Amino acid sequence: DAGVIQSPRHEVTEMGQEVTLRCKPISGHDYLFWYRQTMMRGLELLIYFNNNVPIDDSGMPEDRFSAKMPNASFSTLKIQPSEPRDSAVYFCASRPTGTGELFFGEGSRLTVL
Amino acid sequence: SQQGEEDPQALSIQEGENATMNCSYKTSINNLQWYRQNSGRGLVHLILIRSNEREKHSGRLRVTLDTSKKSSSLLITASRAADTASYFCATGVTGGGNKLTFGTGTQLKVEL
Repeated sequence: DAGVIQSPRHEVTEMGQEVTLRCKPISGHDYLFWYRQTMMRGLELLIYFNNNVPIDDSGMPEDRFSAKMPNASFSTLKIQPSEPRDSAVYFCASRPTGTGELFFGEGSRLTVL
Repeated sequence: SQQGEEDPQALSIQEGENATMNCSYKTSINNLQWYRQNSGRGLVHLILIRSNEREKHSGRLRVTLDTSKKSSSLLITASRAADTASYFCATGVTGGGNKLTFGTGTQLKVEL
């Protein structure tokens, strides 16, 4: 298996622009997680899905952030409008039911100027 | 706030030495996991220990868990330069659903 695939790996955008980050989980994994990593706040859980349904979005910072999982093989995290404080590395991770181990993608490094 | 706090924040050792990292957490847990992150890469799972276990081994890794002290330690024996990375503990909190909360991390540098 190719592992969790995220795109883009790097994104540089200007304040106010819309940003869409994409994730393809490992086939057969029915949990998908979005994390954000910054030096100041470490790794923060933003939202997670089970069987494509959002279960807990309490970590989503504000209404500018939204996440969808239209099918078992694709999820998006959207920021609109983006702000400089959104600059971070965004990770997607997946796992199958019955295990605790998370499989992480390589991350999407976002820079908002 | 972070559920897990690692100690030390940074550790520098010579190749062949052992490295010990500690993690303290605040609430009751179902399991505790350790992950490694190489610079610019995603996190990689190392080992999981359940709340009813006290010690677990995997290759050169040894993890202990003391639920009475709400703490865990990760020991890497006979370290290698390739072990240079950041190490994070992560806790599955009792009643927390399927959330996994990560600690602040320990930066390990293994020098030749």
